Amino acid sequence: GAGVSQSPRYKVAKRGQDVALRCDPISGHVSLFWYQQALGQGPEFLTYFQNEAQLDKSGLPSDRFFAERPEGSVSTLKIQRTQQEDSAVYLCASSPRRVGNQPQHFGDGTRLSIL
Amino acid sequence: SQQGEEDPQALSIQEGENATMNCSYKTSINNLQWYRQNSGRGLVHLILIRSNEREKHSGRLRVTLDTSKKSSSLLITASRAADTASYFCATDDKGGSEKLVFGKGTKLTVNP
Repeated sequence: GAGVSQSPRYKVAKRGQDVALRCDPISGHVSLFWYQQALGQGPEFLTYFQNEAQLDKSGLPSDRFFAERPEGSVSTLKIQRTQQEDSAVYLCASSPRRVGNQPQHFGDGTRLSIL
Repeated sequence: SQQGEEDPQALSIQEGENATMNCSYKTSINNLQWYRQNSGRGLVHLILIRSNEREKHSGRLRVTLDTSKKSSSLLITASRAADTASYFCATDDKGGSEKLVFGKGTKLTVNP
């Protein structure tokens, strides 16, 4: 497809389990972003990559959160030892990097529920 | 943390009416963007306005930006039921990161 693809769309895990969320950006897009969206709130930045380089991870809430993009395309967001407060929608976005900020193209997200 | 506030938090109007949503932000910006989010879906980019622009139009959308007041407004004219969604403003990070900082959003309901 032409858009940003995220999988799975829904994930239910028990507290303490590890989860991995996948993002396939638009082909050729250099920048890739992860956001966390709590119910009824706007997205909050977690981390972003330019190609395989993680340039900003200031939004990751704890060291249980880890993201990678080893070949500069697909990215995985991993959450270890999940807690109930990790329940949220995790959105991935990509953009072609040009001079200045550009619109970001979002996937439909992964809705994570921690029981 | 969220950059600012959208106002109102929720808005309900009839088809054909205009809808105005406001956004305030806290820091200096290079540009401001508006996004729409349908329930259960990702965000869709609507319009980008640069800090040296005061007004921008795109179809039925009109965006204004007042950098002295650190505020923006989104006007949707002749609304349709399909415009029902949440609307978010987002600002860039002048510190050099490409990240966006979003407001809390306005939930718009357009009744047929």
